[in-house]
Amino acid sequence: QLVQSGGDVMRPGGSLRLTCAAFGFSVNSDCMIWVRQAPGEGPEFVSVICSGYRTNYAGSVMGRFTISRDLSKNTLSLQMDNLRADDTAVYYCGRYGAHTGGIDIWGQGTLVTVTS
Amino acid sequence: DIQMTQSPSSVSASVGDRVIITCRASQDVSSWSTWYQQKPGRAPKLLIFAASILQSGVPSRFSGSGSGTDFTLTITSLQPEDSATYYCQQANSFPLTFGGGTRVEIK
Repeated sequence: QLVQSGGDVMRPGGSLRLTCAAFGFSVNSDCMIWVRQAPGEGPEFVSVICSGYRTNYAGSVMGRFTISRDLSKNTLSLQMDNLRADDTAVYYCGRYGAHTGGIDIWGQGTLVTVTS
Repeated sequence: DIQMTQSPSSVSASVGDRVIITCRASQDVSSWSTWYQQKPGRAPKLLIFAASILQSGVPSRFSGSGSGTDFTLTITSLQPEDSATYYCQQANSFPLTFGGGTRVEIK
């Protein structure tokens, strides 16, 4: 399973770090992903990290968000800088199967609210 | 980015009915189509990947089909616990993109 922490209420321009701890599997066993969902909206891809530390980001967060893995702690992180109001969403971490194209394990979600 | 267009946006059906949800990609995604079920306040749940492969533990009344740009999720014999919002997603290329969702309501 995946257990998330780190959601908060933030001011525009602020920074926040989300963490996702994996239990029962290694965060290095496949790709790990962040997906967000704004209130009343569908899911939106944020970022993914795969083997060899290959990463990919949504255009809306590129240059502001950084995805990383800590293999010693078996955790996934998302460093979010220069937050904007439209970053407000529930953020989910997940395990993404590079060979299946699906997210088969999801965290419980954590709410990030960016408001002045 | 590849756009995924789902229809209908909502459907109301009775227990035992067959429900069909469609998803159209803005360009060819081969068989890289995935379907999720989401209930309020919960994370999405993987139902189908690679267009037609049922995720382990998912009831066999769920099935997926299609390739290229047109995909279908079918629920045969709708059950009360199937009340949820369903999303398609393409995995052909990053950024992954999701459809707008289909809300399934039980009459």
